[in-house]
Amino acid sequence: DGGITQSPKYLFRKEGQNVTLSCEQNLNHDAMYWYRQDPGQGLRLIYYSQIVNDFQKGDIAEGYSVSREKKESFPLTVTSAQKNPTAFYLCASSSMTSGSTDTQYFGPGTRLTVL
Amino acid sequence: AQSVTQLDSQVPVFEEAPVELRCNYSSSVSVYLFWYVQYPNQGLQLLLKYLSGSTLVKGINGFEAEFNKSQTSFHLRKPSVHISDTAEYFCAVSGSSSNYQLIWGAGTKLIIKP
Repeated sequence: DGGITQSPKYLFRKEGQNVTLSCEQNLNHDAMYWYRQDPGQGLRLIYYSQIVNDFQKGDIAEGYSVSREKKESFPLTVTSAQKNPTAFYLCASSSMTSGSTDTQYFGPGTRLTVL
Repeated sequence: AQSVTQLDSQVPVFEEAPVELRCNYSSSVSVYLFWYVQYPNQGLQLLLKYLSGSTLVKGINGFEAEFNKSQTSFHLRKPSVHISDTAEYFCAVSGSSSNYQLIWGAGTKLIIKP
């Protein structure tokens, strides 16, 4: 089955630690995205990548980093510089054949809690 | 900057009753409009999207939405809801003013009362 997988489903972090969230897709999509979801605020874009070895900051990139070494993988690192990292993180991908009209397909999400 | 407003944070309705979830966006030369659904503790799934053409768009699970350019609205409707429709619904817009990235509304929780 084609789709997007995110791991782990739940992640607990101590303050001051970096953690990496995994996102893998087998849809052969060019574009991948990371969103943060907080209650009552909708989705906010952290980073996106339209091609391997290239990525752009979204609206709330501070305290996060990404890499795109392979087309199918787009891991997100939440660094200790992120002041309030407790949230639900969603990864998405799209084909980029039509630009802004492409449907984004989402993974099941990772819930990060800072202890 | 482009923005999306979902006017209701929660909408309670009785099972088998009709429902409308409201979405308004800031005006732009050209926009593309989307509705996504999120079931509890899951990712989002596309319900429907408006790109061009007919202003009435039909989606999955019996949902439909109407694009109204003069009122800058894209309200989602279903004539008869089921308990399985319990979820959070997100409206999103993209266009040239957002560099073709999706701008998301805050979401509306649909609560089905038995």
